[in-house]
Amino acid sequence: QKEVEQNSGPLSVPEGAIASLNCTYSDRGSQSFFWYRQYSGKSPELIMSIYSNGDKEDGRFTAQLNKASQYVSLLIRDSQPSDSATYLCAVMEYGNKLVFGAGTILRVKS
Amino acid sequence: DAGVTQSPTHLIKTRGQQVTLRCSPISGHKSVSWYQQVLGQGPQFIFQYYEKEERGRGNFPDRFSARQFPNYSSELNVNALLLGDSALYLCASSLANQGGEQYFGPGTRLTVT
Repeated sequence: QKEVEQNSGPLSVPEGAIASLNCTYSDRGSQSFFWYRQYSGKSPELIMSIYSNGDKEDGRFTAQLNKASQYVSLLIRDSQPSDSATYLCAVMEYGNKLVFGAGTILRVKS
Repeated sequence: DAGVTQSPTHLIKTRGQQVTLRCSPISGHKSVSWYQQVLGQGPQFIFQYYEKEERGRGNFPDRFSARQFPNYSSELNVNALLLGDSALYLCASSLANQGGEQYFGPGTRLTVT
């Protein structure tokens, strides 16, 4: 069973700080990686996708991928209280099957 | 553009009953995947359909079935409901059969009593 591991948190950061969320995965052959944000009672919202080693930036979000270490991370700069949510790391398996971690709860304190 | 739509929003059923959940993908998307999310966990893959054919199946019992229609909408059916089937059922839409980004609908909250 391929696995995706995340620290459940909660991760608490002050407003304006950088939040760093981490994820490891077991399938060395995985090629596609995604970060979703899920507010309480809502469905997951795609915020970042990354396919190649290195960094990918989109606004305040930066995804980092290291396939050799089987590690994906998400940095959120200038964190805002509205960023408080559960962040789900997902790795694509065969076909279109996404394997999710259990999520990290982020709390941004104003 | 309209996103992924799902119906109903909420549903309450009794053990042993059957339920049908519906999903319409983003216009132009041909792949629909179904996921189950229980509280405190990440979504678990149930099925993927592409061009009306089943392309992937997760580790769920045969009580779970699905189909995709010519307009790419999809239904998920669950028979002989158990208390443990209570969850948020999510439909995800994507362009292609393999790889690519998946966009989730608002989900259907199923409660089995």
